[in-house]
Amino acid sequence: EDKVVQSPLSLVVHEGDTVTLNCSYEVTNFRSLLWYKQEKKAPTFLFMLTSSGIEKKSGRLSSILDKKELFSILNITATQTGDSAVYLCAVQKTSGSRLTFGEGTQLTVNP
Amino acid sequence: DAGVTQSPTHLIKTRGQQVTLRCSPKSGHDTVSWYQQALGQGPQFIFQYYEEEERQRGNFPDRFSGHQFPNYSSELNVNALLLGDSALYLCASSLDLWGVGTDTQYFGPGTRLTVL
Repeated sequence: EDKVVQSPLSLVVHEGDTVTLNCSYEVTNFRSLLWYKQEKKAPTFLFMLTSSGIEKKSGRLSSILDKKELFSILNITATQTGDSAVYLCAVQKTSGSRLTFGEGTQLTVNP
Repeated sequence: DAGVTQSPTHLIKTRGQQVTLRCSPKSGHDTVSWYQQALGQGPQFIFQYYEEEERQRGNFPDRFSGHQFPNYSSELNVNALLLGDSALYLCASSLDLWGVGTDTQYFGPGTRLTVL
């Protein structure tokens, strides 16, 4: 059975800190790994990773995939209170396009 | 450019009732997927519609059914509601990639269903 595990489940930091969120997966016929940010309701797309070792970057957020060790990390530097959200990791297989999600990491950034 | 829209925003039903949730995909998208998100959990895949047909289905009972219309909008129907069906129902739209899957899925704001 396909499995996505995120850690930590919950994290509280102060503004300006750097955080690293982890996502490991076990899935046959892997195609891509996606990160989403969920603040209230709609998960908003952050990154799609398909190749190992290539960092994707958007402002203070960056992410990288390791297909040999089957994990990805999401880094957020100089955190702001607006970064407080649940960060979801999902994987997609080559057959079909359904997303299998992890439980999410609840990040709280205090001023 | 309108993103993915869903209606209604909130819904309260009682056990045994039936409910219909609606989704309009992002402009240019042709595939709609539905997910159920229980409190404190990640979304769980229900099914996906493409070309008005159910293309993939997750581990949900037959009480969950759907439909896609020629304009690509979609409905999710749930019959014989149970307390455990209380959740946030998310719709995601994407563009089919020549039958090998779809491009990035973009989510709507969801419908919060409460079953009493």
